[in-house]
Amino acid sequence: QVQLVQSGSELKEPGASVKLSCKTSGYTFSSYAINWVRHAPGQGLEWMGWMNTNTRNPTYAQGFTGRFVFSMDTSVSTAYLQISSLKAEDTAVYYCARGYGGTSAAEYWGQGTLVTVSS
Amino acid sequence: DIQMTQSPSSLSASIGDRVTITCRASQGIRNDLGWYQQKPGKAPKRLIYAASSLQSGVPSRFSGSGSGTEFTLTISSLQPEDFATYYCLQHNSYPWTFGQGTKVDIK
Repeated sequence: QVQLVQSGSELKEPGASVKLSCKTSGYTFSSYAINWVRHAPGQGLEWMGWMNTNTRNPTYAQGFTGRFVFSMDTSVSTAYLQISSLKAEDTAVYYCARGYGGTSAAEYWGQGTLVTVSS
Repeated sequence: DIQMTQSPSSLSASIGDRVTITCRASQGIRNDLGWYQQKPGKAPKRLIYAASSLQSGVPSRFSGSGSGTEFTLTISSLQPEDFATYYCLQHNSYPWTFGQGTKVDIK
């Protein structure tokens, strides 16, 4: 069965960096995109962008350029989100979700990774 | 960017009530819309895809309708496990955008 398993919670100080992982199984990794979604405390869901796992090309939504980097490792069927120069407002749960548009769009989700930025 | 306006932002309802949530797109998105349920501390779960298709395993009391710019999620008879926050997501064009969410709680 399709599974997306994300790495564990992170507590970081402002200015630090963090790299989150989203390990997939149950399907061919390069057949579906990986989307990233942020859920900040008390806020709604926010789509951050997506990684084309076939071309290895990332696309970032406005507001997620510069400090946010998507990457992937096909050999371990895993996608990554790295956030640098962390700020308090980056505190959120970050989700990965599988799918391009159409019927597969965001059908399967990881369980989420809580990132807390605090001194 | 396509804006998704979801209403209401919250509602109180009783067990057995019929509940309707609406999303309006700022431009036509055909039927490229999904509905998601999210409970505290959990990942969103897709209920409806392609605006009106029921996700496998989701109870039939959930239904979706609409096309173009107006979309509706209906829960025909609210059950205790349905108290949650619901979001629409358009994936017609990038950037994908979510509605603001509707929190459904107990009256």
